[in-house]
Amino acid sequence: RKEVEQDPGPFNVPEGATVAFNCTYSNSASQSFFWYRQDCRKEPKLLMSVYSSGNEDGRFTAQLNRASQYISLLIRDSKLSDSATYLCVVTNAGKSTFGDGTTLTVKP
Amino acid sequence: EAQVTQNPRYLITVTGKKLTVTCSQNMNHEYMSWYRQDPGLGLRQIYYSMNVEVTDKGDVPEGYKVSRKEKRNFPLILESPSPNQTSLYFCASRMTSGGADTQYFGPGTRLTVL
Repeated sequence: RKEVEQDPGPFNVPEGATVAFNCTYSNSASQSFFWYRQDCRKEPKLLMSVYSSGNEDGRFTAQLNRASQYISLLIRDSKLSDSATYLCVVTNAGKSTFGDGTTLTVKP
Repeated sequence: EAQVTQNPRYLITVTGKKLTVTCSQNMNHEYMSWYRQDPGLGLRQIYYSMNVEVTDKGDVPEGYKVSRKEKRNFPLILESPSPNQTSLYFCASRMTSGGADTQYFGPGTRLTVL
């Protein structure tokens, strides 16, 4: 079993749709959690950090459930520019483990 | 401009010919890492460094070496490259201060080993 697992998709949604991505992790000692975005084999970029209290940044909401070892990302009112691969990342000190990514395509 | 630079961006080489991929950051970050990305396998951490002269193995360290003699540089060394090291490599530096924790990635090095 992989240490970080994501639904690979692909997710194909129309503009304006709401889409949710899920991620589970197996190491209960994990300390920090993130969602990164990667466009077409370019470098990943931080989308947002994930906290147990939940956090929101515009149309994006991230949530962490430590008891279930589960991370989620919700995108509301999808835009064409949201098309990308979304990577779940779990860190423990210097060690970072990435999920394989979930691919989102938003269509007109 | 804050950035992570990698060189070369593209490299085709032959089995057994030693190579070094350089990585440099200008943000004074203590943490740096190397990853490889392969289709269907996501990004996997090769080595990381939490400060000068401190390095640790990630998930796939076999066949690679690193050094951290200065804070800004973290080169990746392939002493004897093999075809299974053909991959897309990313260097990253990580800021963990002021309540923030962000990894900044370089643009990637696409390596082909024949």
